[in-house]
Amino acid sequence: EPEVTQTPSHQVTQMGQEVILRCVPISNHLYFYWYRQILGQKVEFLVSFYNNEISEKSEIFDDQFSVERPDGSNFTLKIRSTKLEDSAMYFCASQWDSGYGYTFGSGTRLTVV
Amino acid sequence: RKEVEQDPGPFNVPEGATVAFNCTYSNSASQSFFWYRQDCRKEPKLLMSVYSSGNEDGRFTAQLNRASQYISLLIRDSKLSDSATYLCVVNDWANAGNMLTFGGGTRLMVKP
Repeated sequence: EPEVTQTPSHQVTQMGQEVILRCVPISNHLYFYWYRQILGQKVEFLVSFYNNEISEKSEIFDDQFSVERPDGSNFTLKIRSTKLEDSAMYFCASQWDSGYGYTFGSGTRLTVV
Repeated sequence: RKEVEQDPGPFNVPEGATVAFNCTYSNSASQSFFWYRQDCRKEPKLLMSVYSSGNEDGRFTAQLNRASQYISLLIRDSKLSDSATYLCVVNDWANAGNMLTFGGGTRLMVKP
């Protein structure tokens, strides 16, 4: 079964440092997403990406966040200057077409110290 | 604020039991509905979409009541492997594109 692949599985970073979380979506999918889940809390939407541009973003996705699809396969989330409250599990997801369920990657656990 | 509410549980049931979870959503414009399953510290996995007429997939039955803004999931003949957190998820395509709004989840523990 096709998978969404995320790397690294766990990243520890110092507050104020930049991090890049990487994802390889399923190859024929058209829509790409980042969500996050703070431990013990709900899964929260960050951003959606379609046709090489952001289509929706939440209020969490402020100027410290950016996304990129630098080539035909990778989809990255950058946090420019991490804060303690950015510590969470970050899930990448891809979707074949609107209205279908997503496939999520196994996540990157980000710990900001 | 558009919310999806679920009883967090846990629901502790013996193997073979039938268990039902409920979910309410506040956004009346929601058009797509899903149940996801999440194991501890893992990613959400799509269990099933929920259709207006109700739908069944093996031991799992989902129902939607648009008038009451209420979604349910019924699990029959529970297995130990059903132990997980079940996430109710809605989408308001017209106003929020493909963004999914997640409930906080209901934790199920199936005991031998």
